[in-house]
Amino acid sequence: GDSVTQMEGPVTLSEEACLTINCTYTATGYPSLFWYVQYPGEGLQLLLKATKADDKGSNKGFEATYRKETTSFHLEKGSVQVSDSAVYFCALTRDTGMDSNYQLIWGAGTKLIIKP
Amino acid sequence: EAGVAQSPRYKIIEKRQSVAFWCNPISGHATLYWYQQILGQGPKLLIQFQNNGVVDDSQLPKDRFSAERLKGVDSTLKIQPAKLEDSAVYLCASSLFGSGNNEQFFGPGTRLTVL
Repeated sequence: GDSVTQMEGPVTLSEEACLTINCTYTATGYPSLFWYVQYPGEGLQLLLKATKADDKGSNKGFEATYRKETTSFHLEKGSVQVSDSAVYFCALTRDTGMDSNYQLIWGAGTKLIIKP
Repeated sequence: EAGVAQSPRYKIIEKRQSVAFWCNPISGHATLYWYQQILGQGPKLLIQFQNNGVVDDSQLPKDRFSAERLKGVDSTLKIQPAKLEDSAVYLCASSLFGSGNNEQFFGPGTRLTVL
C-alpha cells in the first residue's frame, strides 16, 4: 500500500545552517505531497504542498520539489532559525476510490532542533 | 477566522474508565477527521465524516471507540473502556471537502494518558 518514509530524528543544527529532511514515498497513481509542521504545544499546520511532478512548494523559506523519478519530496531551507524548531511531517494523499475521497498518509515525523 | 477547537487539552484517566473528546471544526467545513497520534509516530486516521455521515471508519476500534457528528458540525469521540495503549494525542481536523488538494486544518489536540 501507499507509504511515506522520513529520515529519523532528531536533527540538531546550529542557527543559519542549511537543512534537508529526506522524504520518500510509495504510491500508485499521482498523489499530492505535503509537508506539515507541528510547533511545540500547537496543532499540525500545512507548511507547503505540491500537486504534480516537478512542482515546487515553498513557504517561510522552506522548499520541496516533487520528484517522481526518485519518488522523493525532500524539505530544504538555506538558513534555519531557532524558531524553526518543530516536528516536520511528510504526507501524501491517497485516493480511496470511494466518491473521490482522499486521505492523508503520514510519515513518522522528524524532530528538528535548532541551537542558537 | 476561528480555527478548529478541541477540548479538553489534557486528560488523565485510569484503564477501564471512559473518556470523551469534543471537536468544533472551522465553520463551513464539511469534512471532519479524528486522528490518533502515538508519540513518535505520524497521525493515524480513526474516522472521517462528510457532513454528518461516516465516510471511513475502517481503522476505528469499534469495540471501544465511537464517534458521532450530529447536525454535521461538532463531533465527539468516545473511548469506553480505555486501555493503556490508548495513551496518545487525539487530533481533530477539518477541510472544505475530502479532496486530494484540500488542506486539512488541525486543532491543538487532546493529550490522553491512561494509567
